[in-house]
Amino acid sequence: EPEVTQTPSHQVTQMGQEVILRCVPISNHLYFYWYRQILGQKVEFLVSFYNNEISEKSEIFDDQFSVERPDGSNFTLKIRSTKLEDSAMYFCASSEVQDRWSPLHFGNGTRLTVT
Amino acid sequence: AQRVTQPEKLLSVFKGAPVELKCNYSYSGSPELFWYVQYSRQRLQLLLRHISRESIKGFTADLNKGETSFHLKKPFAQEEDSAMYYCALRAGTYKYIFGTGTRLKVLA
Repeated sequence: EPEVTQTPSHQVTQMGQEVILRCVPISNHLYFYWYRQILGQKVEFLVSFYNNEISEKSEIFDDQFSVERPDGSNFTLKIRSTKLEDSAMYFCASSEVQDRWSPLHFGNGTRLTVT
Repeated sequence: AQRVTQPEKLLSVFKGAPVELKCNYSYSGSPELFWYVQYSRQRLQLLLRHISRESIKGFTADLNKGETSFHLKKPFAQEEDSAMYYCALRAGTYKYIFGTGTRLKVLA
């Protein structure tokens, strides 16, 4: 069964550094998402992406964050200047179509640790 | 306000006992609700959605609009049901809101 893949599984970075988290969505999916989960807290929506542009973003997704689909397969989340509070598990998800009941397919996540 | 509340962080039951994982939501529109599950060292995956009215792995969930609830139930818990369960609300065309999750532990 096709899966969403994320790399790396764990990223450690110093405060102020830029990080890029990578995702390969399922190949025939059209809608892409980033979520994050700070340890012990809920899974929070960051951004959705469709047709090469952001569809919706949360208040968390400020100017420090950006997303890109640089080629036909990758979907990246960039954090420009990381802060300690960016430490979290970041999940990429994709869905095939945007009908009401189309499920999200999640990757395994990237654990980002900012020191 | 759009919100999903799962009041229990941890629920421990014995094998064979009934399970109910609570979920309440707050949403002004017509709700679209899902349960996702995360087994140990695996990814989040869809368990069921309210529109389907189906039973997956013995689990069912009924939308109660009067009580704004979407509780997940199973009559007889199995050890392999031990996992993290998240209730989710589709709160816009592209946005899903998740609850904080409930860890279910099924004891032998």
